[in-house]
Amino acid sequence: GQNIDQPTEMTATEGAIVQINCTYQTSGFNGLFWYQQHAGEAPTFLSYNVLDGLEEKGRFSSFLSRSKGYSYLLLKELQMKDSASYLCAVRDLINAGNMLTFGGGTRLMVKP
Amino acid sequence: GAVVSQHPSRVICKSGTSVKIECRSLDFQATTMFWYRQFPKQSLMLMATSNEGSKATYEQGVEKDKFLINHASLTLSTLTVTSAHPEDSSFYICSALDSPIHEQYFGPGTRLTVT
Repeated sequence: GQNIDQPTEMTATEGAIVQINCTYQTSGFNGLFWYQQHAGEAPTFLSYNVLDGLEEKGRFSSFLSRSKGYSYLLLKELQMKDSASYLCAVRDLINAGNMLTFGGGTRLMVKP
Repeated sequence: GAVVSQHPSRVICKSGTSVKIECRSLDFQATTMFWYRQFPKQSLMLMATSNEGSKATYEQGVEKDKFLINHASLTLSTLTVTSAHPEDSSFYICSALDSPIHEQYFGPGTRLTVT
């Protein structure tokens, strides 16, 4: 199976930068996704990494190191609306038929 | 981007009744759809994988006779919660796999409350 670990909760200040880490173990890595989920809503896609390196998209960036089984999501210029859960998900080609397996999610609270 | 719809968005039912939730891919064909359940402050847990024209594959611990899945067309999968109980109250989310590009798109979710 897959083990996907991320911190349960984080707190940051409006305007600051926060990094949410995710570590994973998988046999047939085929991509890592980050989703944002506000309470009571479905997840929305943020980023996708399949090769090592940094993917930047506006205020959000995601990094992947396949050799270390490690990714992080970087949020810059935090806004109050960024308070949400951030889900790390891994696609495993061998063990999970290419479907997504989710980590437990990180609840981010942005304070004024 | 691709759109996946779910209906209803919210449903309240009495204990012992059955509830059907629909998941539709609106602008692409999805041979595979996934059904997730999410309890408050927890992450998404995969319940089953729905394949068009064949039986669904259920995850360990999910009762296939209680959670009936039908994927009769390339754009529609349904989840029926039979003889619902209060402990079935949860947020049910479907996703559809756009096979050519291997992307998974989520529906908006269905909030089920069993009284």
